[in-house]
Amino acid sequence: DIQLTQSPSSLPATVADSVTITCRASQDIRNDLSWYQQRPGKAPKRLIYDASRLQSGVPSRFSGGGSGTVFTLAIMGLQPEDFATYYCLQHNTYPPTFGGGTNVEVE
Amino acid sequence: QITLKESGPTVVKPTQTLTLTCTFSGFSLRTGEVGVAWIRQPPGQAPEWLAVIFWDDDKRYSPSLKSRLTIMRDTSRDRVVLTLSDMDPVDSGTYYCARTPRLYEHDSGSSYPGSFDVWGPGTGVTVSS
Repeated sequence: DIQLTQSPSSLPATVADSVTITCRASQDIRNDLSWYQQRPGKAPKRLIYDASRLQSGVPSRFSGGGSGTVFTLAIMGLQPEDFATYYCLQHNTYPPTFGGGTNVEVE
Repeated sequence: QITLKESGPTVVKPTQTLTLTCTFSGFSLRTGEVGVAWIRQPPGQAPEWLAVIFWDDDKRYSPSLKSRLTIMRDTSRDRVVLTLSDMDPVDSGTYYCARTPRLYEHDSGSSYPGSFDVWGPGTGVTVSS
């Protein structure tokens, strides 16, 4: 299975901060990577697909980048509703696998 | 509008078989390169992909759980059913279904998994005697 390593696992921040989360794949996955946001008690919501394409309806302060084995999710100007857990997902090869998650929390 | 919703028991006993149903609308499993996947999430942990089924009954399973999983589709009722046998307390968590495309390599034509664009709200399952 392809392993995805997210860093950091916890990210203290305040409103208006800009933050970046990194996801590293154990092998080349081209751009077959998505980013999800999950709020407590809710299903994950896709923010980014194909590494850098913004899901319809998602604010433009979210952006994704990278290809191959290193990917990033950036949030420019954190809003109160952005404090949540973020996961990356690779779908290059079966089985699809998720990263361990990054909890963006109030500092 | 695309929606999915999971249903099933909230509590099962160890060694029992869990049966979950995903009822969806806004798309069809009768045609097109679309599938429904099941994903679970233990409390406080990352999601884990379990299985997927496509319109032509093509099925894929998590290698670590393959012997215990069965996925089936009911195209007449727009439902997908997942069973997980020999339940154990470590199988407790929230189970989700999600829509996913089937993708193809440009050169070889072989298929590979797609991302999960729309999810159901999830259903919680606790394994306890």
